[in-house]
Amino acid sequence: GENVEQHPSTLSVQEGDSAVIKCTYSDSASNYFPWYKQELGKRPQLIIDIRSNVGEKKDQRIAVTLNKTAKHFSLHITETQPEDSAVYFCAAILSGSARQLTFGSGTQLTVLP
Amino acid sequence: DAGVIQSPRHEVTEMGQEVTLRCKPISGHNSLFWYRQTMMRGLELLIYFNNNVPIDDSGMPEDRFSAKMPNASFSTLKIQPSEPRDSAVYFCASSLSTPDTGLTFGSGTRLTVV
Repeated sequence: GENVEQHPSTLSVQEGDSAVIKCTYSDSASNYFPWYKQELGKRPQLIIDIRSNVGEKKDQRIAVTLNKTAKHFSLHITETQPEDSAVYFCAAILSGSARQLTFGSGTQLTVLP
Repeated sequence: DAGVIQSPRHEVTEMGQEVTLRCKPISGHNSLFWYRQTMMRGLELLIYFNNNVPIDDSGMPEDRFSAKMPNASFSTLKIQPSEPRDSAVYFCASSLSTPDTGLTFGSGTRLTVV
């Protein structure tokens, strides 16, 4: 069925290094791809999103890239800091989900000082 | 704006009891969503309202779960009777209209059924 797959499930990087999280989706009609950050014990919060009419979007140290042909999108965090440690979720609107957001399984990012 | 407000923050109840979770969406938001989060299944959409009308409840696990939205500023998710496997964090979220206008989540209700 329609789904969103996210990799890796866990990621550890040294402070200052870059982190990349990738997601693939199955519905070629999807046109909206947000990323959420969830700190321990807190709510998911939208950090960046991209629509299908653009290939890349940046906001300071974070960026998202989209490859519609391959049906995958990625989150890039540069110059990582300890406060970037959290679970990151990608999401997409899939036809099979009544046009609602379907979330990936999440990536636990740990930034080591 | 105070954001999406959920209550209670924590709920511990005995198996078989009725549980009611509450949500106040952001003023002016027309869509409201209930999600359940567990380690095993991640974030699952349970039900979605638009202009107070349930649009899609295909994610509601079974008849023990019900949700209402009597007006634009209030929604409830009820579990009756509750079971230990219902233990999870339940999030309410709202958006201006369709999900691609951006979902804002509440702080969640951590439910423990013993």
